[in-house]
Amino acid sequence: EVQLLESGGGLVQPGGSLRLSCAASGFTFSTYAMTWVRQAPGKGLEWVSAVSGSGGSTYYADSVKGRFTISRDNSKNTLYLQMNSLRAEDTAVYYCAKTPDEVAVAGTAAFIDYWGQGTLVTVSS
Amino acid sequence: SYVLTQPPSVSVAPGKTASITCGGNNIGGKSVHWYQQKPGQAPVLVIYYDSDRHSRIPERFSGSNSGNTATLTISRVEAGDEADYYCQVWDSSSDWVFGGGTKLTVL
Repeated sequence: EVQLLESGGGLVQPGGSLRLSCAASGFTFSTYAMTWVRQAPGKGLEWVSAVSGSGGSTYYADSVKGRFTISRDNSKNTLYLQMNSLRAEDTAVYYCAKTPDEVAVAGTAAFIDYWGQGTLVTVSS
Repeated sequence: SYVLTQPPSVSVAPGKTASITCGGNNIGGKSVHWYQQKPGQAPVLVIYYDSDRHSRIPERFSGSNSGNTATLTISRVEAGDEADYYCQVWDSSSDWVFGGGTKLTVL
């Protein structure tokens, strides 16, 4: 059974940093691209970033480019999202999610087949 | 940037058929994926590649895609189908794109 468990969320001041982690199990982690999607309170889904199975290819939404960094440690079956220069508009539940393919960071296979339960990030003074 | 347009809400009586649309420029040329999100829960994949059902999704859920509109159809709607539904595509100029979501209300 695929399981994705996010951690690292919390309250941070504007301009601060936070690192999210996602522990994966139930599948061969290194052979699937992974992604982060967020959802502001009462709002819809917004794609944030994606990384290929090897970690060699990364993609970012324009809204986070230059501030967020996605990475993965395949030896630990863990996905990360380093978030710097946080803004109030980054407040959201952040979901870790699995794609159906090793290189599904772009193209027709760029979708999510399993989601984690999410971790809340609140940016406020 | 590529935009997906969904109706904010759709209402349907139990046992009837609900259709949720997702509009986009020549969306028929893209692969459309649909997610269901119940209150307080993470989204769940329902339909991928326009019309393929994900595992454990009832046959009552189906999808189609042509021209400028993709459609998620739910037959014999049940109270448990009440949720928000999101369409999603990948676009070369916009990367991953989600629709704004449609709240399905079962009357």
